[in-house]
Amino acid sequence: GAGVSQTPSNKVTEKGKYVELRCDPISGHTALYWYRQSLGQGPEFLIYFQGTGAADDSGLPNDRFFAVRPEGSVSTLKIQRTERGDSAVYLCASSGKAGGPHEQFFGPGTRLTVL
Amino acid sequence: AQSVAQPEDQVNVAEGNPLTVKCTYSVSGNPYLFWYVQYPNRGLQFLLKYITGDNLVKGSYGFEAEFNKSQTSFHLKKPSALVSDSALYFCAVRDIRMGGGSQGNLIFGKGTKLSVKP
Repeated sequence: GAGVSQTPSNKVTEKGKYVELRCDPISGHTALYWYRQSLGQGPEFLIYFQGTGAADDSGLPNDRFFAVRPEGSVSTLKIQRTERGDSAVYLCASSGKAGGPHEQFFGPGTRLTVL
Repeated sequence: AQSVAQPEDQVNVAEGNPLTVKCTYSVSGNPYLFWYVQYPNRGLQFLLKYITGDNLVKGSYGFEAEFNKSQTSFHLKKPSALVSDSALYFCAVRDIRMGGGSQGNLIFGKGTKLSVKP
């Protein structure tokens, strides 16, 4: 079956611009997560959704970052006024349920480069 | 605070030899522990997890991991390494909070690059 998909695979933008990153989770998965992975580091948690609502957004670095999941499936991570420090690979993951013993299934990521 | 440590940036082994990738953790309660592998330009792939029960967990591609509560470790192992095992390996933990329930997100180590030479 289809896994988690993310678009675009690569995004190059200029400092100060607005970007949207999209995630399509595995069909039927209720939990969706966003992580950010910088070079040489492990993924760092940003936000996760249980259904349509953000269950935990404590990892978002500041108010320039926002994410939505209006219909409980596809999610969009939005970054306003991008900065060079936002350059990273943004990973999306989904799982059948949130938390507990349930493993997360990751997409290939979106590589964001802010010039 | 919860954390995961992978003390080795890189592990080099010869094909056919056993391999170990180390992981230690620190959580406030009992942990759920995971190993993931990342190949170049690809997402993380789930290998195995420890929930409860037997301390030796078997996973995909012949990998296994041993949970050691007293040493707070969860080392990844494979009896005979393959060149195709060369990749980046991440250990992760999800904390089980007192009173039940758990946070949704995983906390990852910084990763260990495994290089298997023919």
